[in-house]
Amino acid sequence: ETGVTQTPRHLVMGMTNKKSLKCEQHLGHNAMYWYKQSAKKPLELMFVYNFKEQTENNSVPSRFSPECPNSSHLFLHLHTLQPEDSALYLCASSPDRWGEQYFGPGTRLTVT
Amino acid sequence: DQQVKQNSPSLSVQEGRISILNCDYTNSMFDYFLWYKKYPAEGPTFLISISSIKDKNEDGRFTVFLNKSAKHLSLHIVPSQPGDSAVYFCAASETGANNLFFGTGTRLTVIP
Repeated sequence: ETGVTQTPRHLVMGMTNKKSLKCEQHLGHNAMYWYKQSAKKPLELMFVYNFKEQTENNSVPSRFSPECPNSSHLFLHLHTLQPEDSALYLCASSPDRWGEQYFGPGTRLTVT
Repeated sequence: DQQVKQNSPSLSVQEGRISILNCDYTNSMFDYFLWYKKYPAEGPTFLISISSIKDKNEDGRFTVFLNKSAKHLSLHIVPSQPGDSAVYFCAASETGANNLFFGTGTRLTVIP
């Protein structure tokens, strides 16, 4: 499989649940990103990892917890989310930080 | 406050004609600009970029123009094809900074 993959593609969770989003890139890139896209809002950068090290956290609430075990995998652990966290969560990777980014298809998250 | 703005949420163009998508930014420190295209149920796909040392970059049917004094960039697609129908996002960044700012997107419909 090539490119950037994300699982699951759709997720419905209650506010007390714990779930994880997974992203995998097969491009040999060194940087990976989590973005959030809410309806009628621009893409918002959440986290940046460069060579497995987190280099940016854009004031994201602690109920979102990223994990990057290696340069190919990125997780977003979710717990006690709010309904306003419902959005499309996109993962991206790039050869180096802020190079041309390649996006996955996203996970459509609904918090009930 | 949004630093990258796409003021036209939608645009319809006849096949074969020129499509012009516009983007404005407020941060004069931005020096790298990108356009992404997004089809439904897919992640954004990189299309073309331009750095602030240039005022034009061309790739096939796609040309990006940058007017630094006006803090404005535009994407020209000519001739437009039905397969170009998608949402187009512009994005901007500042070298050395830790963020990439996206606009809200413009939905282009090319009418056969």
